[in-house]
This record gives sequence, structure tokens and C-alpha cells, in this order.
Amino acid sequence: QVQLVESGGGLVKPGGSLRLSCAASGFTFSDYYMSWIRQAPGKGLEWVSYISSSGSTIYYADSVKGRFTISRDNAKNSLYLQMNSLRAEDTAVYYCARLWFGEGRWFDPWGQGTLVTVSS
Amino acid sequence: SYELTQPPSVSVSPGQTARITCSGDALPKQYAYWYQQKPGQAPVLVIYKDSERPSGIPERFSGSSSGTTVTLTISGVQAEDEADYYCQSADSSGDVVFGGGTKLTVL
Repeated sequence: QVQLVESGGGLVKPGGSLRLSCAASGFTFSDYYMSWIRQAPGKGLEWVSYISSSGSTIYYADSVKGRFTISRDNAKNSLYLQMNSLRAEDTAVYYCARLWFGEGRWFDPWGQGTLVTVSS
Repeated sequence: SYELTQPPSVSVSPGQTARITCSGDALPKQYAYWYQQKPGQAPVLVIYKDSERPSGIPERFSGSSSGTTVTLTISGVQAEDEADYYCQSADSSGDVVFGGGTKLTVL
């Protein structure tokens, strides 16, 4: 079955860096757009970034532009999010999700999430 | 920036019908999607393209659209449906937007 498993979360100081990974299985990873979505504690969902199937097209939310970098390795069926210059407001559970991109844009399925805490 | 507006909470008794609305100016031109999120779990897609139901989602979940408002309807609500529900769409430039979420309480 389709599965997405995130890893790499943890506690980091403000200004620090962290790299999240998402391992995909159960589908042809290289055929799909992928995305990162986050959820601050007790808050709603916020789209962070997405990347096209080949990696040639990338978009970021304004809140992370210039600080976060999304990438993928289709040979390893993996998605990544490099997060630099982290701020307290980046504290959240980060989910990777398969992005259906065409007439509309929606996310299915989602991984279980990995918690990133930015605190001194 | 573009916003999708949902009521913060909806309450219904078991067996009744729950309706959760989502309003946004671009909804007449953009599809809407709905996700269910139970405590401590990842969101799950329950409706896509306004009214389509993914495989494995119970028939009691349905979606509809009228003008600038889309509605998620849960018929014959069960205790297991208690969760947060988020609508999602896109703005005029195609950027993804989520609603603020609605907490469904089954009394």
C-alpha cells in the first residue's frame, strides 16, 4: 500500500538548521508531485512547499521562501526539506504528502508527520 | 491574501446530519477538498473535486458546491466521525490554501 514515512524532526535552536526526509513506498514515486505541509501545535494546516515529479518546478509559501529548500531523489524514492535560519514560529509537525496536480491540487495520502521544535 | 472561512465548531447528535461550510471568493472557479483529522493523526482526504469520494471513505460523507460556499455533509453521524475537518482549495494563482478547520463534536 501507499506509505509515506517522515523522519529528521527534533529540537533545534533559533537560527539553526534541520533536514527532514520522507521515504515513499507503494507507488511510482517519480510520477508524482510531492509536498510538505505543516501544523503548529493546536493550529491549522499550512502548505509549505511542493516539487514536481522531475524536480524542475518548485514552489514555496512566502513564510519559508529563502530559508527552506525542497528536493527529491527519485532513485531513492525520497523527498527532503532542508530548513535553515529556523524561527520559533517554524515549530510544527511537518507532514509530507503526495500532491495530485492537474485540474486541481490536493494531497493524498499524508505521512504520519515529524515534529520540529525551535527553542532555545 | 486569499482565505477560506470555516465555522470553528459544529455539534450534532449521533444519527443526525452534520454540515460544515467553507467560504471563499475563488471557490466558483477552483475545486474544494476536505480532510478529516483525528487527534494525534495525520489528515485523511474524504472529499476531492468538490463532491468526489475517495475509495474507502464511507458513503455518509458527501460534498457540494454553491457559488462561493462549499459544504461537507456527514449523514447519520457516528461517534467515530468526531474530528477536525479542513477544507482546501487554491487561489487565483494556483497557490494552495487551507481553511482554519472545524471541530466536529458528536454529542
